[in-house]
Amino acid sequence: ETGVTQSPTHLIKTRGQQVTLRCSSQSGHNTVSWYQQALGQGPQFIFQYYREEENGRGNFPPRFSGLQFPNYSSELNVNALELDDSALYLCASSFEGAGTEAFFGQGTRLTVV
Amino acid sequence: GESVGLHLPTLSVQEGDNSIINCAYSNSASDYFIWYKQESGKGPQFIIDIRSNMDKRQGQRVTVLLNKTVKHLSLQIAATQPGDSAVYFCAENLDTGNQFYFGTGTSLTVIP
Repeated sequence: ETGVTQSPTHLIKTRGQQVTLRCSSQSGHNTVSWYQQALGQGPQFIFQYYREEENGRGNFPPRFSGLQFPNYSSELNVNALELDDSALYLCASSFEGAGTEAFFGQGTRLTVV
Repeated sequence: GESVGLHLPTLSVQEGDNSIINCAYSNSASDYFIWYKQESGKGPQFIIDIRSNMDKRQGQRVTVLLNKTVKHLSLQIAATQPGDSAVYFCAENLDTGNQFYFGTGTSLTVIP
C-alpha cells in the first residue's frame, strides 16, 4: 500500500454533468499529479499541483481543472463530461515533483453514459 | 516511450523462469525512469527506478538496465511467480519537466 488514497473508487455520470475526484497524498509528499488511463493504454498526464499551484499541464482541455489544499490533498474537476472521459483517473504523489519517486493511488473508475 | 496504440505486447513465461520486459523510450533528455506494475483494477505499483547516470540497478528479484545510446530500458524479473502476472509500464521523466510519460505497457502472464 502506498498511502495515496482516492475517492470514490467508482462513479457513473451522465454526459454533460460535472464530477469531482479526490486524492490524499502520501505522508511527507507535497506534490500531486493526476493522470487519465483509458482502457488498454498507459496513463496520460493531466496536470500537477505543487504547493497549491498548478505546476505543469498535459494536453487536456480547460474543462479539466484542479485544486490542491494546504494539507497537500487534491481535487480533479471535470466539467461538461463527454463519453470519451470514461477512464481510470489516477493520482500520484511525490516530494518536490520532477525526478523523484511517484506513488499512485488505486484510481477512480469514471464511466460517462 | 509514449503510448502509440491499443495493441498491448504480451509475454508468457513459465513459473520459475526469468522474465525480461523491454521498453523503448522516446526522449534523449529523459533522465529518470520508473518501472510500474499494474494489476487489473488497481493503480500502478512502483517497482524500481533508475537515473540516467546509472546503467544498472538491482532490487529484490528485479533488475533494471538502461542503455542511453539506443534509448532502451529493460526490466528483468528473476524466478517469476504467478503473482508477477500484470501489465508492466516503463515511465520516463525529463530533467526539466514534472510529468511522466508512460509506454503502452507489456502484459506478463506467468504459467504455473
